[in-house]
Formats: sequence, structure tokens, C-alpha cells
Amino acid sequence: DQQVKQNSPSLSVQEGRISILNCDYTNSMFDYFLWYKKYPAEGPTFLISISSIKDKNEDGRFTVFLNKSAKHLSLHIVPSQPGDSAVYFCAASASTSGTYKYIFGTGTRLKVLA
Amino acid sequence: DAGITQSPRHKVTETGTPVTLRCHQTENHRYMYWYRQDPGHGLRLIHYSYGVKDTDKGEVSDGYSVSRSKTEDFLLTLESATSSQTSVYFCAISERKGQFPYEQYFGPGTRLTVT
Repeated sequence: DQQVKQNSPSLSVQEGRISILNCDYTNSMFDYFLWYKKYPAEGPTFLISISSIKDKNEDGRFTVFLNKSAKHLSLHIVPSQPGDSAVYFCAASASTSGTYKYIFGTGTRLKVLA
Repeated sequence: DAGITQSPRHKVTETGTPVTLRCHQTENHRYMYWYRQDPGHGLRLIHYSYGVKDTDKGEVSDGYSVSRSKTEDFLLTLESATSSQTSVYFCAISERKGQFPYEQYFGPGTRLTVT
């Protein structure tokens, strides 16, 4: 039973346009969410986070939206750049569990076309 | 960049041999994690530690053990390696931030091939 799902394995976007990466979760106890970017042969790099007390968080070109009722979050990248081409993972955690564990999605490969 | 190193970075071993992977951090973070990354599965938690000598199992812990005798080191051991343990292994660290867990920071990974 996959608690965090990224249903789109890949996405292609033109340079300068918006990239939207989606993530769904099933566990209503999840209250903290992260997005990571991963280049080949490197470890994942933290991008942006959001807690359940917010519905939006921005950091430069990256914005994460959280819809708690739909158990859905999305990462928007505007404008998309060729250097954004990577695999993106979402991750979720339940702070009340006290374990500080994250469950990761399977990732979405983003390709930004020049 | 968070100070996390993994050793070795690449290893080829034979089925049935023991293997130990090392994660070393210089950030003095309390929490440390071992993940494996496989195509179609994303990152899956093997074991994690919430303090020296305090460890617990993740979602794919069978065939793996861990030890943490110092804050800075977290060891992952494959007692008898199998071909299904061929994977890329990542170590991560994190710290608590108020109510919510802090972000995890990842090491560069170890590519393990079991032949």
C-alpha cells in the first residue's frame, strides 16, 4: 500500500513555461511535506517544504501548494529552466508519530526542453 | 552543503558475503537514515536512528542491520548479500525543528552490485 504516490513517471515542458508536479497521499496523519530534486549519480537535494498549517509556500521559482481535503500537493516551477531537468520526489511525514520518518513517492522525471 | 559522506561510493561483491556501508556526518544531527533507491520504487527506508544506540526498522529492513555507536557514524550491514540487494544506498540526516521534523539532507550515495 503506497501512502505517497506520484502518478506521473515523467513530464516534458518547454523552457520558460510552468512545470507542475503532483503528489497524492493517503495517510491523513501526514502533516509535513518535502520536495526533493535528484540529478543522476547524486544524492537528493532538498527544495522546499510545507506544513499542514499552510496551503502554500514559495521559494524563488518554486511554489508548493497543499490541498489537505484532497490529500494532494503540487510543486510549481516558474519559469522552467533546462537545469531543472531531474527526478523530483515528494515526501511526507506525520509529526505526531515522533519517529521523524518520511515516506517518499516514486518520483517524476522532469525534462525541460530548450 | 550538509557534511555527509558515504563510503565506499561503489562496491561490487559476491552473493553470500557480508558488506558494511558507512555514513559519516559532521553536523551533529540526531537523526540518521538509510534508504535504498530502485527503479519504480523511489526511496525506501531501510533503518533509521534517533540517537546513539537507538535504532528502528523501516519498510524494507529484512536482510539488513545497523549500528550507531557514535553520533557521527551510522553503519549499514548486509549480513549475507543477495542479488536483490543490488541498489543505490543513500544515507540521510535530520534534526528536529519545533513541532515538525527538520528536512533530511542526503549523502552522495553508494552503488552496490551483488553478483
